[in-house]
Amino acid sequence: QKEVEQNSGPLSVPEGAIASLNCTYSDRGSQSFFWYRQYSGKSPELIMFIYSNGDKEDGRFTAQLNKASQYVSLLIRDSQPSDSATYLCAVNTVIQGAQKLVFGQGTRLTINP
Amino acid sequence: DVKVTQSSRYLVKRTGEKVFLECVQDMDHENMFWYRQDPGLGLRLIYFSYDVKMKEKGDIPEGYSVSREKKERFSLILESASTNQTSMYLCASSPRPTGAYNSPLHFGNGTRLTVT
Repeated sequence: QKEVEQNSGPLSVPEGAIASLNCTYSDRGSQSFFWYRQYSGKSPELIMFIYSNGDKEDGRFTAQLNKASQYVSLLIRDSQPSDSATYLCAVNTVIQGAQKLVFGQGTRLTINP
Repeated sequence: DVKVTQSSRYLVKRTGEKVFLECVQDMDHENMFWYRQDPGLGLRLIYFSYDVKMKEKGDIPEGYSVSREKKERFSLILESASTNQTSMYLCASSPRPTGAYNSPLHFGNGTRLTVT
């Protein structure tokens, strides 16, 4: 079982709608969760992090964390074509006694005008 | 703004060559990382370093080595390049240890390496 799983997509959402991206993780001890956005041909950039159960909002972005169910999600409200990118979920986890940041394979999101 | 600079954007090398990928960060970060990114496999950690002259293996260190002689510079070395090392290589730095909740990774622009 992969430590961090995302649906690779592509996920297609009409402009102005809510895009919902999901991520599940296997390590119950994980404490920190990150969402990175990666445009085609570019490097990943951090858009949000969350470490407490519940919701965290930043502009049009909301990260949601449910540690009991071991999932973290990212909602993008009022989706814009410029939101089209691959979104990477990253989770800090302990592997062989060492803390590491493990990435999911990413979900490709396309916002259709 | 944090700047992480990778020396080459595109690189083409022959099988068996020794390859050096260079990365420099300008924010005095303690921690530096090398990842490779492949379609369907996501980002995988090759090596990381939490201090000068210190290095730790990541998930896929085989065929690679690293060097960190100065705090701002972290080099990835392919001892004898092979075709299965054709990939996008991403360097990153971070001010705090990986496990810290507020420890984002700042990535360089990447080096797309092709081994023929």
